[in-house]
Amino acid sequence: GNSVTQMEGPVTLSEEAFLTINCTYTATGYPSLFWYVQYPGEGLQLLLKATKADDKGSNKGFEATYRKETTSFHLEKGSVQVSDSAVYFCALSDGFQKLVFGTGTRLLVSP
Amino acid sequence: EPEVTQTPSHQVTQMGQEVILRCVPISNHLYFYWYRQILGQKVEFLVSFYNNEISEKSEIFDDQFSVERPDGSNFTLKIRSTKLEDSAMYFCAVVWSGETQYFGPGTRLLVL
Repeated sequence: GNSVTQMEGPVTLSEEAFLTINCTYTATGYPSLFWYVQYPGEGLQLLLKATKADDKGSNKGFEATYRKETTSFHLEKGSVQVSDSAVYFCALSDGFQKLVFGTGTRLLVSP
Repeated sequence: EPEVTQTPSHQVTQMGQEVILRCVPISNHLYFYWYRQILGQKVEFLVSFYNNEISEKSEIFDDQFSVERPDGSNFTLKIRSTKLEDSAMYFCAVVWSGETQYFGPGTRLLVL
């Protein structure tokens, strides 16, 4: 079945540091890929998405590129802020089917 | 982006009691989903609902669980006889544009 593997956290960075959170997937077919973010005490918010190979999703300074050859969708940001502290979930879906989530990666950004 | 509300935001119940969690999307949607997140763990799929019937369900979604759209707008998840291990955050999601799922703020359920 489909699955998503994320790097374990927590990831601890200083403000303005470069962020990478690794995500790889296993899927049959050509899934769509997503990053969701969960701020403390809140629900899941869509951060960005990509629906086909080589697409780049971007939002709020975050980027991720759908790499079919490496089955990856790594999340990057050039300069993190304290307000980016949250849990980040990589997920995939095949059409209107269920989302399959990774385990989540907690990001802690200190001033 | 669609707005999705969930009620209640928190619920505490005794083991064996029935609970009903509600999801209210602001606009009409065809696809609905329920997920849960046990504290500190990954988000798990429970059930998807399309055109007023279940389209897929997970192993977690056993006979104790049911879903319905009682009035064409609300989307409910019922747990008939709660267990301690049902304590979790429950999220409703809807599809608005394309296949992207948008989540509600969640209901935190605590079973004592």
